[in-house]
Amino acid sequence: GEDVEQSLFLSVREGDSSVINCTYTDSSSTYLYWYKQEPGAGLQLLTYIFSNMDMKQDQRLTVLLNKKDKHLSLRIADTQTGDSAIYFCAEHPRGGGADGLTFGKGTHLIIQP
Amino acid sequence: NAGVTQTPKFRVLKTGQSMTLLCAQDMNHEYMYWYRQDPGMGLRLIHYSVGEGTTAKGEVPDGYNVSRLKKQNFLLGLESAAPSQTSVYFCASRRGQPTNEKLFFGSGTQLSVL
Repeated sequence: GEDVEQSLFLSVREGDSSVINCTYTDSSSTYLYWYKQEPGAGLQLLTYIFSNMDMKQDQRLTVLLNKKDKHLSLRIADTQTGDSAIYFCAEHPRGGGADGLTFGKGTHLIIQP
Repeated sequence: NAGVTQTPKFRVLKTGQSMTLLCAQDMNHEYMYWYRQDPGMGLRLIHYSVGEGTTAKGEVPDGYNVSRLKKQNFLLGLESAAPSQTSVYFCASRRGQPTNEKLFFGSGTQLSVL
């Protein structure tokens, strides 16, 4: 079955770049997503990438997709304290139903001053 | 524009008690979802609905029931609460297809079952 894997924690210094990695198993996934969850809040969509793309950039965010290795990454440039959150990778497999999204367990991004 | 609103935000139950969590969205979305979030487990889908009057089981439906009598509301019921149902519950909605339509999440309900 589908599974999305992420490391549970990432610690970076303020001002450095953060790179959060994710691997997925369904090669037919059409869309891949990054959601952000701040403390005490629900998830918010950060960005997504269509499976025929290799890269997508949006201000400080860069998403890289390696379809051969089924690897997705989210790079946050110039990491700020406000970036401290849990980041979820999610995939939408081609055969997915009305929901279809399979979430990873989330990566806690910890910012060191 | 409130988006997705969940009530209550916090609740403590005793084992065996029942309760209903309410999710309301004001975006005229067709699809609505209930997830639970547990430490180290990520988000798991409990039930979902693709329109008024419809419901379907997700990954972990046991012990829960849902109803979608009105398009804007999606109710999650626990008939006989168990400690294993201690979790944070999130409701989400989506306009529908295509698949890049994003999910909008509520702010969550923290439920403790003693």
